[in-house]
Amino acid sequence: GIQVEQSPPDLILQEGANSTLRCNFSDSVNNLQWFHQNPWGQLINLFYIPSGTKQNGRLSATTVATERYSLLYISSSQTTDSGVYFCAVDLYNFNKFYFGSGTKLNVKP
Amino acid sequence: EAGVVQSPRYKIIEKKQPVAFWCNPISGHNTLYWYRQNLGQGPELLIRYENEEAVDDSQLPKDRFSAERLKGVDSTLKIQPAELGDSAVYLCASSRDRGFDEQYFGPGTRLTVT
Repeated sequence: GIQVEQSPPDLILQEGANSTLRCNFSDSVNNLQWFHQNPWGQLINLFYIPSGTKQNGRLSATTVATERYSLLYISSSQTTDSGVYFCAVDLYNFNKFYFGSGTKLNVKP
Repeated sequence: EAGVVQSPRYKIIEKKQPVAFWCNPISGHNTLYWYRQNLGQGPELLIRYENEEAVDDSQLPKDRFSAERLKGVDSTLKIQPAELGDSAVYLCASSRDRGFDEQYFGPGTRLTVT
């Protein structure tokens, strides 16, 4: 069946630490996005990255489409990075966006 | 550029009552999506519009849910009658084109059915 799996499900970091979040998917993709859902529920776009590597400040992402995974790197984490990180995948053979179950990040001061 | 606008932000209703959510997408975005997000889970697609046409409503519970997107801009999602299990956050998103383009989300409507 269709699978979009994120790991780890929960992550606790001390402020300043680095982390890597992973998204595995079961089929070829047209589109992959990473979102941060803040404590108020707003989904904020981080990266649109069906393939390759992108960087935005302390965040970067890499998608290896041939191996069906994407990674989100957070460096020098801050308390404002807390929230839930979702990857969403538009799978080629299904023409539909699927969200993973998210990684809940808590950055402690 | 204004983002996706949704209203209301919060709604509390009793079961069996009707409820409606409104969404105004980003100007120029042809594709509009409605998602439902249950507590602790990722959003799930309910319906996708390309302009006025609903091109994917396979996950929409059609016995009680309906949606429309008149003139290919604003959209309304309706539930009638609401059930306790409909309590969730209803999210609207839009993208310039379908499938190969980036989605942008509104703030959502938090529905509580009592």
